[in-house]
Order: sequence, then C-alpha cells, then structure tokens
Amino acid sequence: NAGVTQTPKFRVLKTGQSMTLLCAQDMNHEYMYWYRQDPGMGLRLIHYSVGEGTTAKGEVPDGYNVSRLKKQNFLLGLESAAPSQTSVYFCASSFLVVGQVGTEAFFGQGTRLTVV
Amino acid sequence: KNEVEQSPQNLTAQEGEFITINCSYSVGISALHWLQQHPGGGIVSLFMLSSGKKKHGRLIATINIQEKHSSLHITASHPRDSAVYICAVPYGGSQGNLIFGKGTKLSVKP
Repeated sequence: NAGVTQTPKFRVLKTGQSMTLLCAQDMNHEYMYWYRQDPGMGLRLIHYSVGEGTTAKGEVPDGYNVSRLKKQNFLLGLESAAPSQTSVYFCASSFLVVGQVGTEAFFGQGTRLTVV
Repeated sequence: KNEVEQSPQNLTAQEGEFITINCSYSVGISALHWLQQHPGGGIVSLFMLSSGKKKHGRLIATINIQEKHSSLHITASHPRDSAVYICAVPYGGSQGNLIFGKGTKLSVKP
C-alpha cells in the first residue's frame, strides 16, 4: 500500500516563483490536511479538506491556496513564494475527524522547500 | 484551542536505558496521538489512546485523563529508536485537526 504520497520531496524556488505540491492517498480517506513544520515549532495546519470539493483555512493559511478536485488528491499551491515559506511540508489524511477516538492520521514523507 | 507541552526537548541515552517522554495538554480530549519522526523522514503514528495504557513491542504509552498528561516509555532503548517523538491532541474546536507538541529529540548512543 502506498498510503500517503507527496510530490516532490525536495524543491528550491526563487522568491516570486510559484509551485504546486501534490498529496495523493489511496485509502479512500475523507479528511486531508496540509501542515508546515518549522524548527522549534510544532506542526501547524495550513489548510484542510473534509471531502472532495471542499477546503478550509487552518492556522497559517496566508500565501497558500489549495484544491481538492478529486477525493484522493489534495494540492497545495504557492502563488508567489517568499523566503518565509521555507519549511518542511507534510500532508496527512484520515478516514474520520482525527479528534475522534479510533481515528488515526496517516502522514506523507514530507516536502522540503527552500525559497531563496 | 488546546495547548501541548512536551518534555524534555532533547534526550540523550545509552543503549539499554529506560526512556520516558512526557506530554501535557490544557483542554480535555477524546484521544491523544504519539508520533515518530526519523531524521529526514516522514511521520509515523505510534499510538492513539484515550485511556489507560497501550503497548507495542518496547514502546508503552500511558495517559491520565484527569491530570491531562501522557507518557511515552521506551524499554531497553536501541540506537534505532533515535528520532523525534511528537505528541498531538485534537484542536478542541470543530476544525477536526491536531495540535502538535514541539517534539522530543531522542538520541540513543551505542
């Protein structure tokens, strides 16, 4: 089983460039999340989706956009990259809301993005 | 919003030692997650527990709901246990996501 797959794994962008990170899951999960991980901080939620065609803002959404056109894919876009967006990005998915008892979250391998 | 505190931030141990990592949170929860992150790697879910204790191999997780506290124990630690261990709890609202601790970096020396 592939689980949660993120593409690409590494990327270097110049300030002002745009890119899209792809998250794909093969577990038929309804919920998908994008997090960023920065040194000395816990993972922070950027955007999330509770089902195909739906998206919502998380804790740190500025500078990012997302789309969930297909249930298995959750895309994170950076329209005009800034050095402050240098981070490791993680995608996660879950069948139900992760706060519910018995609901496990599955994570991708991460994407290390550097904006210069 | 829930707040999560982990201790210690960094931990160095000798192979074979018993290890304890602590997690405290501020708001009542339905379940707590323990995650493992290897250097340069992804994040793997170790445990999800809502009460009592769970055991998987040399790893044991306990939770005290009344005291809002959980511990992760590693018995007979091994260098391959070296990783960052992260505690996470539900956000506390309707958002349905997790709030993560900053992690405990464990290094086990041979």
